[in-house]
Amino acid sequence: AQKITQTQPGMFVQEKEAVTLDCTYDTSDQSYGLFWYKQPSSGEMIFLIYQGSYDEQNATEGRYSLNFQKARKSANLVISASQLGDSAMYFCAMRRFGTASKLTFGTGTRLQVTL
Amino acid sequence: DAGITQSPRHKVTETGTPVTLRCHQTENHRYMYWYRQDPGHGLRLIHYSYGVKDTDKGEVSDGYSVSRSKTEDFLLTLESATSSQTSVYFCAISEGLSTDTQYFGPGTRLTVL
Repeated sequence: AQKITQTQPGMFVQEKEAVTLDCTYDTSDQSYGLFWYKQPSSGEMIFLIYQGSYDEQNATEGRYSLNFQKARKSANLVISASQLGDSAMYFCAMRRFGTASKLTFGTGTRLQVTL
Repeated sequence: DAGITQSPRHKVTETGTPVTLRCHQTENHRYMYWYRQDPGHGLRLIHYSYGVKDTDKGEVSDGYSVSRSKTEDFLLTLESATSSQTSVYFCAISEGLSTDTQYFGPGTRLTVL
């Protein structure tokens, strides 16, 4: 079974500062993918970034980067230069490689960006 | 953005009535999923489909059924709605590659009174 733990229910960050959202995972699979999704107050789920378990480089997508530490089973999301529009819920998720493999989600972290 | 729509977007119904939610995609993706989102649980998989008329259960499938008669449509039915099924329901799609990403629809907020 897979499990995702997000220990920060809520975070505050000042505009233009960087922030790290924590995610740890538990799995016995060797091949898996890690995902981050953003859910703004409007409710949609927006895909942000993906990291494969065999990827040696940390994934980056614009202001988002994923700090992947395989031995520690952590996949933290780093948002650089926070913007007011980054205020949202953020979900970490994982799935093992293979077709039709479900996503297992964490409970989310609510990020509030302040002036 | 992936072309995924859900209907209705909001629904209020009474306990014991049947409810059908529709997910429609224009991406021609093979895999479609239904998740529910509840406070403190993140999203949990209800059912998924890996092709027309090919479906399987997820982790919270009790009380739900699904059908997929066309590639683009995936229906979720609550045969007799209960208050515990009050939730936000998300449809997702993926191409079915081993490492691919699931993209989500806008969600349907269902309230069962």
